[in-house]
Amino acid sequence: AQKVTQAQTEISVVEKEDVTLDCVYETRDTTYYLFWYKQPPSGELVFLIRRNSFDEQNEISGRYSWNFQKSTSSFNFTITASQVVDSAVYFCALSGWQAGTALIFGKGTTLSVSS
Amino acid sequence: EAGVAQSPRYKIIEKRQSVAFWCNPISGHATLYWYQQILGQGPKLLIQFQNNGVVDDSQLPKDRFSAERLKGVDSTLKIQPAKLEDSAVYLCASSLLRNDNEQFFGPGTRLTVL
Repeated sequence: AQKVTQAQTEISVVEKEDVTLDCVYETRDTTYYLFWYKQPPSGELVFLIRRNSFDEQNEISGRYSWNFQKSTSSFNFTITASQVVDSAVYFCALSGWQAGTALIFGKGTTLSVSS
Repeated sequence: EAGVAQSPRYKIIEKRQSVAFWCNPISGHATLYWYQQILGQGPKLLIQFQNNGVVDDSQLPKDRFSAERLKGVDSTLKIQPAKLEDSAVYLCASSLLRNDNEQFFGPGTRLTVL
C-alpha cells in the first residue's frame, strides 16, 4: 500500500529561522513521483515541486530546498530564513509513475512564522 | 491560461439535504479528479475521470455520493443525503494525460453540514 507520513503536525518559528518539514513515504513501486504543495489560509493548493524517483539530486529554489533520500524513503523540505508569508499548511504527496495517477497526500504540517 | 474553476465556494446545508458541486477543468485536460479534504487532514481521492469515463471510484461512498463528467469536460459531484461527516472542502483537480502527473487544483468548495 502507498502511504505518506508527515509526523510534524505543527511547527512554530520566528522570522528568519530555518525550518525543515519532514516527509516519509511508503510504496512498493520502483518508479514514482513525489510532490510538495502549499495551502495558504485562502485554501487553494499551490504546487511547489515534483521529483521523480530516479532523480536524487537535491534541489534549491530561492529560499526553498528539497532533500530526497531514496534509502530512507524521505523527501524533506527546508525553508531558509523563513518569512511570515510562509505561514501555511504544507503537504507532501506521492503518485505512481503512470500518467493520470491520483495523488496520495500526507496529513500536512502547519507552519506558523511569527514576526 | 484559465485555472480550474469550482462553484460554489461555500455551501451550508442541513443534514439529509442534497448538494451539488461543479467543476470546470483547464481546457484540454483529459483527467479530472475530485478530492475530499476533511479539516486537519490531507486531500483524499473520491473519484477520477479520464475524459468522460471513470478510472477510479473505489473511495467514493456510492450510497450517497455520485459524480459525472458529461462530454469529457465539466463535472458535477452530488451528495444525497448529506451527513455531518461530509463537512469538508471538496477539491477538483485536472491534468493532462502525460507522464509527469502534475495536477492543477481549483479553489475548492467548503461544505458545512449542520
